[in-house]
Amino acid sequence: GAGVSQSPSNKVTEKGKDVELRCDPISGHTALYWYRQSLGQGLEFLIYFQGNSAPDKSGLPSDRFSAERTGGSVSTLTIQRTQQEDSAVYLCASSPGSGNYGYTFGSGTRLTVV
Amino acid sequence: SQQGEEDPQALSIQEGENATMNCSYKTSINNLQWYRQNSGRGLVHLILIRSNEREKHSGRLRVTLDTSKKSSSLLITASRAADTASYFCATDEWNTDKLIFGTGTRLQVFP
Repeated sequence: GAGVSQSPSNKVTEKGKDVELRCDPISGHTALYWYRQSLGQGLEFLIYFQGNSAPDKSGLPSDRFSAERTGGSVSTLTIQRTQQEDSAVYLCASSPGSGNYGYTFGSGTRLTVV
Repeated sequence: SQQGEEDPQALSIQEGENATMNCSYKTSINNLQWYRQNSGRGLVHLILIRSNEREKHSGRLRVTLDTSKKSSSLLITASRAADTASYFCATDEWNTDKLIFGTGTRLQVFP
């Protein structure tokens, strides 16, 4: 597609439920990133996929968070047993590779845990 | 963890004035990038400056980089109301291949 697509755009879930957030990067982009942004804050790095290399999971805040990227394209971020502090906007970005490239961001998924 | 700190946190100016935002960071970098965010959703890439560059221009944007001081500045000349947004610097840390974002500057341009 022309840009990075994220779905759903908004998600309200009950505390304790699992959620899946989807990211469809730009075709041909080998690098994919997940960030989250709490209200009025900066971006917090979560996880990074580059080609077939093992993902950099150093930003995942707990073992309730996991992500996968199938076939080097679509990625899914899963949050298990959601907590209220998980409420944030989850942003996905892709780039042509690692190194001196800018990122193209999707519009994000606003997650609200009630 | 956040690498960059923007200064000021908020800036209000009149249309036609110039806006300057500063960013400081902590570690060695491959490059530094500036992004704009409207309405708290997706970010838009504005400009990338490599660690061996000192200044870069793109339209009304001018970015400087001083690696000895670990700082960068973004200048928006002849600002417009449409420039109202949050601006973030992000550093591509050496050997990590991921961007670490700063805390952002909220710019308000009054018509």
